Amino acid sequence: DSGVTQTPKHLITATGQRVTLRCSPRSGDLSVYWYQQSLDQGLQFLIQYYNGEERAKGNILERFSAQQFPDLHSELNLSSLELGDSALYFCASSSRGGRFETQYFGPGTRLLVL
Amino acid sequence: TQLLEQSPQFLSIQEGENLTVYCNSSSVFSSLQWYRQEPGEGPVLLVTVVTGGEVKKLKRLTFQFGDARKDSSLHITAAQTGDTGLYLCAGVNRDDKIIFGKGTRLHILP
Repeated sequence: DSGVTQTPKHLITATGQRVTLRCSPRSGDLSVYWYQQSLDQGLQFLIQYYNGEERAKGNILERFSAQQFPDLHSELNLSSLELGDSALYFCASSSRGGRFETQYFGPGTRLLVL
Repeated sequence: TQLLEQSPQFLSIQEGENLTVYCNSSSVFSSLQWYRQEPGEGPVLLVTVVTGGEVKKLKRLTFQFGDARKDSSLHITAAQTGDTGLYLCAGVNRDDKIIFGKGTRLHILP
């Protein structure tokens, strides 16, 4: 158990819909990362937050957005969903978001878009 | 676009054998990490290498960072069934962004 929690574990929805994925970082960690993992693309970094502020952006689509709240939990919002958005979405956390810090991954949310 | 190519994609060997998997790029990374991911779980960090030519050992696992910091290898001695999983390498570039390879799926047969 990494100490990072993600909800829900599984999500099935239809094209065009909007969903929200939630992540609670490890106690004391200030930085949260979101990743998408699909069979063809592998693990792709989406976005990083540190203490409520966006710190780094990766391959995140404009239809996706995220935020980190004052209590440090984070939400990833996916809208206008397409079939190709079906994937595993992971959240990770680290202490201060430094480049050499260990990131602790949650168990993921498996999203299926029908 | 920076890419990390991992090879082989799949590897199935008998318990007790040795193996090496590779992570290659044409780009330089400030550090490189190896993760293991088991079904239904998130990746777990095994090691971070920072210096070109660096070698790190974790029990039966030996990790090496290339001299030019563009590639890395993971060698497992006397593989065990518990080593089964998806091995991912990830490089941190100059912009502090992390880039993952697609992984090597390793299956150790009893």
